[in-house]
Amino acid sequence: QSVLTQPPSTSGTPGQRVSISCSGSTSNLGSNSVNWYQQFPGTAPKVLISNNNQRPSGVPDRFSGSKSGTSASLAISGLQSEDEADYYCSSWDDSLNGAVFGGGTKLTVL
Amino acid sequence: QVQLRESGPGQVKPSETLSLTCTVSGGSVSGHYWSWIRQSPGRGLEWIGYIHYNGNTVYNSSLKSRVTISIDTSKTQFSLKLNSVTTADTAVYYCARSSSSWSANFDSWGQGTLVTVPS
Repeated sequence: QSVLTQPPSTSGTPGQRVSISCSGSTSNLGSNSVNWYQQFPGTAPKVLISNNNQRPSGVPDRFSGSKSGTSASLAISGLQSEDEADYYCSSWDDSLNGAVFGGGTKLTVL
Repeated sequence: QVQLRESGPGQVKPSETLSLTCTVSGGSVSGHYWSWIRQSPGRGLEWIGYIHYNGNTVYNSSLKSRVTISIDTSKTQFSLKLNSVTTADTAVYYCARSSSSWSANFDSWGQGTLVTVPS
């Protein structure tokens, strides 16, 4: 059972816009920023969005992040086949005094 | 471009100690926080703990009694020891870097190493 809650899966067709939600509590998303990671099978996660909505260098602007209260969302516009991957949210939890992750969302591009 | 690489045994017997090392290249360990994170099918991504270059550590409370993270700044390496392992500790173990405390923004990761604890 992960501290942050994500839908297990979602899907979309090429060109479509999809959103992945991440739900937490006052001790994590309510107090600290959210980060999003993209992971392909057999590889390490790669940071996609940091500090709620910042894209590291090299990340396409098709990816965007937002946070409101204890919930956050990752949006992917202009969906491409190469976006098919697992996506994880993370935050710091003040009560647990540690980093926490969501359970991950598997994105399928139909 | 900093690179991280995990190394250590791929299999550890139950009740023994898991020991892994992360070697940092292309950058300094100074000014950063160095974490261990593991991933298993049943438990997803789990943060184990971090060490600051000055030696301060913070551990996941659920693993704190079994974990030790240490750093060797001269070798730009940091290490993980997890004792009394069980099959539940079977996972891919990653080392990762963050730039501040109270942060889950891991901007560099190693490629991961699979550690199996057989039943």
